[in-house]
Amino acid sequence: DVKVTQSSRYLVKRTGEKVFLECVQDMDHENMFWYRQDPGLGLRLIYFSYDVKMKEKGDIPEGYSVSREKKERFSLILESASTNQTSMYLCASTRPGGAGYGYTFGSGTRLTVV
Amino acid sequence: AQSVSQHNHHVILSEAASLELGCNYSYGGTVNLFWYVQYPGQHLQLLLKYFSGDPLVKGIKGFEAEFIKSKFSFNLRKPSVQWSDTAEYFCAVTRSNYQLIWGAGTKLIIKP
Repeated sequence: DVKVTQSSRYLVKRTGEKVFLECVQDMDHENMFWYRQDPGLGLRLIYFSYDVKMKEKGDIPEGYSVSREKKERFSLILESASTNQTSMYLCASTRPGGAGYGYTFGSGTRLTVV
Repeated sequence: AQSVSQHNHHVILSEAASLELGCNYSYGGTVNLFWYVQYPGQHLQLLLKYFSGDPLVKGIKGFEAEFIKSKFSFNLRKPSVQWSDTAEYFCAVTRSNYQLIWGAGTKLIIKP
């Protein structure tokens, strides 16, 4: 079974802090994604990466950046955390062949910015 | 722009009731369609998917969905729900080779 592991389940950070959310997948997937999930808004794509060192902006990239130095790891960075970034953050990956095969998700990181 | 609409944000049913959750998408080309489920405190997991062929697809836990191309719909059904089906359900459609577009989700509450 593919596993997507997010480093923290819950995080509390202060406004203005730099925040790193880590995601690791163990099945050599090329495509990785960061979403935020908010009630009534579903999943909104922040960034995705289709290869090492490659990244593409999603629908809501403002205030975020990403890093993919190794195939298995995709990091989401909040350069200066703000209260409106309080949310559930989900990492996902897809097998080669793309989105048509569906995504595998991590358990999520619930970030609270105070 | 492509979009996915889920008609109900909240659905409350009693056990043994029948379930149908609506999903409509806007893209007219070839699509792959998915239903995901998120049980309380758990990660999103795939319930079922449609690629091609028989428009009636069966998934895990007794769920099924019907793809109706002419209506751009992919509704999720279950003939008799259980308390353990309480969860949030998401419909998704392929946007590109890399991406899915997601509906806003439907929270399903089953009263015991």
